[in-house]
Amino acid sequence: AQSVTQPDIHITVSEGASLELRCNYSYGATPYLFWYVQSPGQGLQLLLKYFSGDTLVQGIKGFEAEFKRSQSSFNLRKPSVHWSDAAEYFCAVGAGSGGGADGLTFGKGTHLIIQP
Amino acid sequence: DAGITQSPRHKVTETGTPVTLRCHQTENHRYMYWYRQDPGHGLRLIHYSYGVKDTDKGEVSDGYSVSRSKTEDFLLTLESATSSQTSVYFCAISAGQGEWETQYFGPGTRLLVL
Repeated sequence: AQSVTQPDIHITVSEGASLELRCNYSYGATPYLFWYVQSPGQGLQLLLKYFSGDTLVQGIKGFEAEFKRSQSSFNLRKPSVHWSDAAEYFCAVGAGSGGGADGLTFGKGTHLIIQP
Repeated sequence: DAGITQSPRHKVTETGTPVTLRCHQTENHRYMYWYRQDPGHGLRLIHYSYGVKDTDKGEVSDGYSVSRSKTEDFLLTLESATSSQTSVYFCAISAGQGEWETQYFGPGTRLLVL
C-alpha cells in the first residue's frame, strides 16, 4: 500500500523568504503526486501535480515541485513567500488507474506560518 | 470549484442517530469520493464510486455506507453516528482525460456528534 510522509508538522518562514516543504512517498510503481493547499475553514485547492515527464513541475501561486525518484521525494518550493501563503499544505499520492482513480493517500499535512 | 456542492455544510447530531451527507456535482463526472479530515491525520478515503451503483471501500469505511443512484449525487450515510465520526467530510470528483485525471474537492461538511 502507498503512503506519504510529511516530516514537518509546522514550519515558520519570514515573509519574502524562500520555502521548501518536504514530502516523501512510498509506492511500488510510478506515482501520481499532488500538492494541495487548504486555507482555514476552506476546502482543498490543487497547487500542482506530477504524472510523468519533466521532473520539475510548475503550479499556481508561484509554487513548484521537483520529483526525485531516487529519494522518493516530491518537495514543494516557493522562492519568496507572501503572508497569504499561510495555510495547511498536503502532499498526496494516487493509486489505481489514471491520477488516482482508486483514491488518494494523503500526508498528515504541514502547517505554514508566515512571520512579518 | 468543479461544480461540487455538499449539504449540509454544518450538522450537529446525537450519538446513535442516522446521518446522511450529500455530494452533488453538475459536470457528469464518473468518479466521486468521500474523505474525512481529522487533525493529525490529513485526509483519509472512506468510499468512492466509479459509476452509478458502483462503489468501493476506502481506508476507513467501517461505520459508513454510500449510495449513488444517479451520476450527479453521491450520498454518505452514518447508520448510527458515534463521537469518533465527528470530523470534516469532503467530497471529491475526478476530472480530466484518462491518466491526467485529477481530484477536485468540495467545500466540506463539518459534523459534530454529541
